[in-house]
Amino acid sequence: AQSVTQLGSHVSVSEGALVLLRCNYSSSVPPYLFWYVQYPNQGLQLLLKYTSAATLVKGINGFEAEFKKSETSFHLTKPSAHMSDAAEYFCAVTTQGGSEKLVFGKGTKLTVNP
Amino acid sequence: NAGVTQTPKFQVLKTGQSMTLQCAQDMNHEYMSWYRQDPGMGLRLIHYSVGAGITDQGEVPNGYNVSRSTTEDFPLRLLSAAPSQTSVYFCASSRTTSSEQFFGPGTRLTVL
Repeated sequence: AQSVTQLGSHVSVSEGALVLLRCNYSSSVPPYLFWYVQYPNQGLQLLLKYTSAATLVKGINGFEAEFKKSETSFHLTKPSAHMSDAAEYFCAVTTQGGSEKLVFGKGTKLTVNP
Repeated sequence: NAGVTQTPKFQVLKTGQSMTLQCAQDMNHEYMSWYRQDPGMGLRLIHYSVGAGITDQGEVPNGYNVSRSTTEDFPLRLLSAAPSQTSVYFCASSRTTSSEQFFGPGTRLTVL
């Protein structure tokens, strides 16, 4: 069965600083990986996904993530944080072929300080 | 397209009451699921469906029932509400189990 670990339940950065949100996965078969964002009092929306094409995936709002099989990681980055990036971010994993259900990490809440 | 809609947005129940959370999607998605979100716990899968007439249990199914009589609708029933079911509930749909899931706005449930 797959699992996801998000390191750091809270991350705080200054506006303009690099954003790095960590996600490590466990899967016995090639995974599909997702990052979702949840703004306050809203549902989740997809930021980006890895489905075995390019290992560097670009998403919306300037975010990107790199799939590193050797490190079983899929960390989310953004070069320069904006106040509007303040939200909770969830990493999720499933398997290619859809034989397994989507499993979410516990989330990382990002605070952006002016 | 309305996407995924959920009703009600807020609900307060007393212990022992039953209720149904409604979920509908207009994207003709086969896969639908219900999650609950609790602080520090992420999203946990309650029940899911891979098509009309087919449902299965997720990680935390106890105390909840679902049915899928049409592709569009996937209601979640609380049989006898307990304070431990106080949570935010999200419905989601997707084309397949491995494609992007589209989430509804959520229902905030409080059980007293």
